[in-house]
Amino acid sequence: DIQMTQSPSTLSASVGDRVSITCRASQTISHWLAWYQQKPGKAPKLLIYKASSLESGVPSRFSGSGSGTEFTLTISSLQPDDFATYYCQQYNSYPWTFGQGTKVEIK
Amino acid sequence: QVQLVQSGAEVKKPGASVKVSCKASGYTFTTHAIHWVRQAPGQRLEWMGWINAGNGDTRHSQKFQARVTFTRDTSASTAYMELSNLRSEDTAVYYCARDWGGTMDSWGQGVLVTVSS
Repeated sequence: DIQMTQSPSTLSASVGDRVSITCRASQTISHWLAWYQQKPGKAPKLLIYKASSLESGVPSRFSGSGSGTEFTLTISSLQPDDFATYYCQQYNSYPWTFGQGTKVEIK
Repeated sequence: QVQLVQSGAEVKKPGASVKVSCKASGYTFTTHAIHWVRQAPGQRLEWMGWINAGNGDTRHSQKFQARVTFTRDTSASTAYMELSNLRSEDTAVYYCARDWGGTMDSWGQGVLVTVSS
């Protein structure tokens, strides 16, 4: 199975900050990577697919980059609604696998 | 709008089975696969597999291969996930999600399955 590792596990930031989350795959996955946002007690929400494509309706302050084994999710200016846990997911090969999550907390 | 509505919470004893439903609306059910993903308390999301809602083909994670069954009823636009031989480690929230090219673009609200003696 492909292992997905995110860093950091927790990130403390303030409204307006630019934040980045890294996701590394244990083997190359080309651009087959998605990012999700999850709030407590809620289902995940798709933000980014194919590493850098923004899902419809997702604010443009979210962006994704990378290919191969290293990927980044960037929030250009953190908003109050963005405090949540973020997961990456590879869909290059079965079984699909997720990272362990990055919790974005209020500083 | 696309909506996936799942059945209610379940409490099961070890060794029992559970069947969770996922009713889709707002799109043509047979044009998208349905994924099943679970999340144990405080843990990462875990992909269990998917069912092609059109032809019924399935793909499972090997971890669950022997214990999980995916089915669908196209007349009811509903997908089902049945997990057998439950153990305490299966306590989790179980989600269904609509496939979008390998990602999951719409999710059900989740079903808490508690396995306890």
